[in-house]
Amino acid sequence: GNSVTQMEGPVTLSEEAFLTINCTYTATGYPSLFWYVQYPGEGLQLLLKATKADDKGSNKGFEATYRKETTSFHLEKGSVQVSDSAVYFCALTTGNQFYFGTGTSLTVIP
Amino acid sequence: DGGITQSPKYLFRKEGQNVTLSCEQNLNHDAMYWYRQDPGQGLRLIYYSQIVNDFQKGDIAEGYSVSREKKESFPLTVTSAQKNPTAFYLCASSIGPGRAYNEQFFGPGTRLTVL
Repeated sequence: GNSVTQMEGPVTLSEEAFLTINCTYTATGYPSLFWYVQYPGEGLQLLLKATKADDKGSNKGFEATYRKETTSFHLEKGSVQVSDSAVYFCALTTGNQFYFGTGTSLTVIP
Repeated sequence: DGGITQSPKYLFRKEGQNVTLSCEQNLNHDAMYWYRQDPGQGLRLIYYSQIVNDFQKGDIAEGYSVSREKKESFPLTVTSAQKNPTAFYLCASSIGPGRAYNEQFFGPGTRLTVL
């Protein structure tokens, strides 16, 4: 079956620290992979995506590379800001349904 | 602006009442979804619809019902049979199954509280 496993939180970092949130997946076929971000009390917003192996998705300083050999899609940012504090979800789709990880809460302190 | 709207933002329900949550999209998407989110947890799929007049149960459909009479609308009814309905409800849409760049777009959510 299809599933997503992501790093448990919460994660607390100081401003300008390096961020990595791990995400691994299990999927039949060739999934597309996504990272979504959720701010308190709001819906999810697409942060970045990758549709095939070795693609790198990037947005707002965040990056993730689709690694088929390790079935991973880890989220990275070189220097986090207080405004990056949110919950981050890794997700995949093989065409019909979408499968989400449980979310990783990030708090960035000044 | 294209997007997904959900209303109301906050909803209070008495025990034993049915309530309907609205979800409308003007993205011309074929597929629409309802998720439930509990505090500190991920998303659980309630129902989804890939085309007008058709929908399928997700992982936690018991106590919920939906309709898809129009492409742009996918209302969710939380019935009195749902034992613990207090949660944050998210509606989403996507262009449709089997399409390239098939990401989901989410509405702002409705927070339902049972009094």
